Amino acid sequence: EPEVTQTPSHQVTQMGQEVILRCVPISNHLYFYWYRQILGQKVEFLVSFYNNEISEKSEIFDDQFSVERPDGSNFTLKIRSTKLEDSAMYFCASKGWARNEQFFGPGTRLTVL
Amino acid sequence: AQSVTQLDSHVSVSEGTPVLLRCNYSSSYSPSLFWYVQHPNKGLQLLLKYTSAATLVKGINGFEAEFKKSETSFHLTKPSAHMSDAAEYFCVVSVSAGKSTFGDGTTLTVKP
Repeated sequence: EPEVTQTPSHQVTQMGQEVILRCVPISNHLYFYWYRQILGQKVEFLVSFYNNEISEKSEIFDDQFSVERPDGSNFTLKIRSTKLEDSAMYFCASKGWARNEQFFGPGTRLTVL
Repeated sequence: AQSVTQLDSHVSVSEGTPVLLRCNYSSSYSPSLFWYVQHPNKGLQLLLKYTSAATLVKGINGFEAEFKKSETSFHLTKPSAHMSDAAEYFCVVSVSAGKSTFGDGTTLTVKP
């Protein structure tokens, strides 16, 4: 069965650095999402993306964050200047047209030092 | 608007006894509901889902849940707990192509 993949599995960066988290959604899916989970907490919605534009974003998704679908397969989350509090697990998800189910990737653990 | 309330932050059971993890939801539209399990330092594994078909949903590893619209509940049950069931469980609601909203999670402990 097709899966959502994410790279890298673990990213360590210094505070103030830019990071790009990459996701490859399931190939025929149309809706794309990013979520984050701070250690020990629940999963929080960041942003949804459809038809090459943001369809919804949370208050967490401020100007430091951006998303892009640079080609037909990748979906990226960029954090311009990382803060310590950006340390979290970031999950990508995608959804097709017919089934009302989001498929989650395995996550990228971001550690900001 | 949508929200999820997981009524217990921690549940502890003995191995071989039943498990009940409670979830109530709120949604302005007909929701889809999901239960995910997360083991320590791991990703999200889908246990089961309700997407407007049968109200009693069977999932993996012997788990099941019943969608009760009148009670706005989607409680997760398992007849007999196994040590490997110890994990964090999330109840999730979504509508159509919108975002998924997660509950705060329930930590299940299974005692030998």
